[in-house]
Formats: sequence, C-alpha cells, structure tokens
Amino acid sequence: EIVLTQSPGTLSLSPGERATLSCRASQSVGSTYLAWYQQKPGQAPRLLIYGASSGATGIPDRFSGSGSGTDFTLTISRLEPEDFAVYYCQQYGSSLTFGGGTKVEIK
Amino acid sequence: QVQLVQSGAEVKTPGASVKVSCKASGYTFTDHYMHWVRQAPGQGLEWMGWINPNSGGTNYAQKFQGRVTMTRDTSISTAYMQLSSLRSDDTAVYYCARMVRGGLDYWGQGTLVTVSS
Repeated sequence: EIVLTQSPGTLSLSPGERATLSCRASQSVGSTYLAWYQQKPGQAPRLLIYGASSGATGIPDRFSGSGSGTDFTLTISRLEPEDFAVYYCQQYGSSLTFGGGTKVEIK
Repeated sequence: QVQLVQSGAEVKTPGASVKVSCKASGYTFTDHYMHWVRQAPGQGLEWMGWINPNSGGTNYAQKFQGRVTMTRDTSISTAYMQLSSLRSDDTAVYYCARMVRGGLDYWGQGTLVTVSS
C-alpha cells in the first residue's frame, strides 16, 4: 500500500498570503492518479485537483497542483477567507489512499 | 445535476451490521465506479473500497476484507455498503463518492453511524 505523508500538519497564514502544501508518497505514484481535496467542518470533501495538476470543475485558478513521482504540491496563490480548511491528497493505484491532511488556519 | 443522496443516520450496538445506501442521479449510474470512504470523529479520510456498478465487481481495502460488502441495484441507481461485526471504533461518517479520472468528484452528504452499547 502506498503511504502518503502530508506536511506541514498545520499551516498558519494570513489572507492574501501564498500557501504551499506538500504530499510525499512512499513509492512512485502515476501522476494521472494524484488528487487534492478541500474539506470544511461538517461538509464532505471537495475535489480541487485531479491528475496532479488539472483543476476540477468550478475550482478557482488560485488553486494549482504540481509534481510527479513521489513529490506533489498544492499551491494556493492568494488565500481567500473561504480557503481556510483541511486539505487532503489522495492516490489511486491498485488501491486508494489518503494523506493525513494539512490544516490551513488563520494566523 | 449530479447528486448522491445517502440514507440517514444509524445507531447500532457492537456486533451488529449496518447497511448504508447511496442513490445516484443526474448521470448514467453504470458509467462510473462508486467508492466508499469513512471519517471517524476528528480524524482523516479512510478508503473502504469500490464497486463497479456495471459489473458488480468490487475491490475492498485490506483492513475491511471479510467485514464489508458493497452491492448495487442498477434498476434504482443505488449503491450499498454493508459493514458487519461493528465495533465502537467503526463510529464514523460514511461517504459514497463517484470516481472520475482518478479523483472523487461528487460525494454524498455522509451518513453518521454510531456504534454504542
């Protein structure tokens, strides 16, 4: 099973700042099958990025994904108040696994 | 518009089984695999497995092998997840989610399953 490790665990930033979230895999992941999600309290996760770098439908372009192999990054170019949430990466090979999450909180 | 509507909250005693339903609308049910994901209170996301609504084929996470059964009824575009031998640590919100291009693009609203004596 591929283990995904997200860092940092918590990111304290102010609105308008840039957020950089990391997701590292225990073995190489096909880029096609790396996705990122946003989750707010009491809500289901929301797909942001699929295929490592493709934005899902309706996702603002301040969200971008990059990376390949074992290292992937989600970048939020300028944080809006509604972006403070928990973010998960996910890989899908023979099975599916999620990272442990990064909480982006208001500084 | 695509919607996944899940059944309501359940309270079960240890050792019992629970069956959660997920009714799909707004797309062709058999075109996309349905995955099940759970989230314990205050914890992260945990994948349970998927069902191919077209063939009925399944793939379960190793952790749940022998305890989980995923089925579907194509006549009513509904997927089901049954979990048996419930324990207190199975208390969680259970989600169904549709997979497209390696990502889960639509999610149900979640079903809270509480296991308590």
